[in-house]
Amino acid sequence: SAVISQKPSRDICQRGTSLTIQCQVDSQVTMMFWYRQQPGQSLTLIATANQGSEATYESGFVIDKFPISRPNLTFSTLTVSNMSPEDSSIYLCSVAGGTEAFFGQGTRLTVV
Amino acid sequence: GQQVMQIPQYQHVQEGEDFTTYCNSSTTLSNIQWYKQRPGGHPVFLIQLVKSGEVKKQKRLTFQFGEAKKNSSLHITATQTTDVGTYFCAERPPTLGYSSASKIIFGSGTRLSIRP
Repeated sequence: SAVISQKPSRDICQRGTSLTIQCQVDSQVTMMFWYRQQPGQSLTLIATANQGSEATYESGFVIDKFPISRPNLTFSTLTVSNMSPEDSSIYLCSVAGGTEAFFGQGTRLTVV
Repeated sequence: GQQVMQIPQYQHVQEGEDFTTYCNSSTTLSNIQWYKQRPGGHPVFLIQLVKSGEVKKQKRLTFQFGEAKKNSSLHITATQTTDVGTYFCAERPPTLGYSSASKIIFGSGTRLSIRP
């Protein structure tokens, strides 16, 4: 299993600003995953964060909007840049175990 | 691309009634996973099915994988208030390359609410 500490748990931000979300895992993992969950919706994968290389983004998500850092095997950050109200969502980081995925507690972002 | 749809989107039941959610894919699935997300919480893994026609049970929960591996169901017998939440089916696709290893593709989810 894996324990993931994610922060902040929630934030209210002004449009046009940026927010950086941090995830710390209690063990070394090759890949970390960042998901977005819009209100009442399912989870959509934003990108896969690899240590030592650039993140791999899914269709519809770009590095300029969601820059990701992965400085070591236990830590990653996701930045939501130049925010608009449409970015109001829950953002979750995740790691994969042998079978299942483990998630951080999520960051509930509201952009006003 | 692959889409995994779940029905119903919402279900409101009386406590003690049964509940079923169905997951349907446009393509053959390599496996099916089920997660539960409590209100305000994060998804928590319930189970994985891999074999065609596989059925697994966890107490009041019964999970089934279709013969064609394109659909799955989760059935809860005699719901309790602790069952409230959103249930997601998901697939962990086989690794196509280093960059895609281990990602999970989630279904649309079914939100279950219960009248005590």
